[in-house]
Amino acid sequence: EPEVTQTPSHQVTQMGQEVILRCVPISNHLYFYWYRQILGQKVEFLVSFYNNEISEKSEIFDDQFSVERPDGSNFTLKIRSTKLEDSAMYFCASSVDTHTGELFFGEGSRLTVL
Amino acid sequence: AQKVTQAQTEISVVEKEDVTLDCVYETRDTTYYLFWYKQPPSGELVFLIRRNSFDEQNEISGRYSWNFQKSTSSFNFTITASQVVDSAVYFCALNSGSVSGSRLTFGEGTQLTVNP
Repeated sequence: EPEVTQTPSHQVTQMGQEVILRCVPISNHLYFYWYRQILGQKVEFLVSFYNNEISEKSEIFDDQFSVERPDGSNFTLKIRSTKLEDSAMYFCASSVDTHTGELFFGEGSRLTVL
Repeated sequence: AQKVTQAQTEISVVEKEDVTLDCVYETRDTTYYLFWYKQPPSGELVFLIRRNSFDEQNEISGRYSWNFQKSTSSFNFTITASQVVDSAVYFCALNSGSVSGSRLTFGEGTQLTVNP
């Protein structure tokens, strides 16, 4: 069964460093998303991406964050200068359309900022 | 604005007990979708069910069942004869009114612990 894959599964970084989280969505999906879950808290929407541009973003998604689809398969989330509060699990998701609302989530990338 | 409330932060039961996880949602939209996800200790999000706002039929899948009631804006989830492997955090989520069409609003989650 097709699945969304994310790398790395866990990354530890120093405050102020740049981090890139990578995702390979399901191949025939057109809509891509990043969600975040701070430890012990709920899952929160960060951004959605369609047709090579951001279609919606939350208030969490500030100028420190950016997303890109550098080639036909990868979808990346970049955090330019990490802060302690960026420590969280980051989930990538994709969907084939927006009508049914069914998202397929990856297994997550745990980011720890020291 | 959309909101999902899972009032039960933690539930602890003994194996074979039935358990119901509550979910109450708020939305002004007439078309929306409701979801339940399971998050085991390994951390991934496992899709369990999707329901659209026009389908109020209850659904049963093995030991799992869902009770959707628009009149009370609730979408409760029952596990019958619980097992230790059901121990996880369960999230209810709502998808409605989003520009992108698939912006999920999650509840705070309910930590279910099933003890042997």
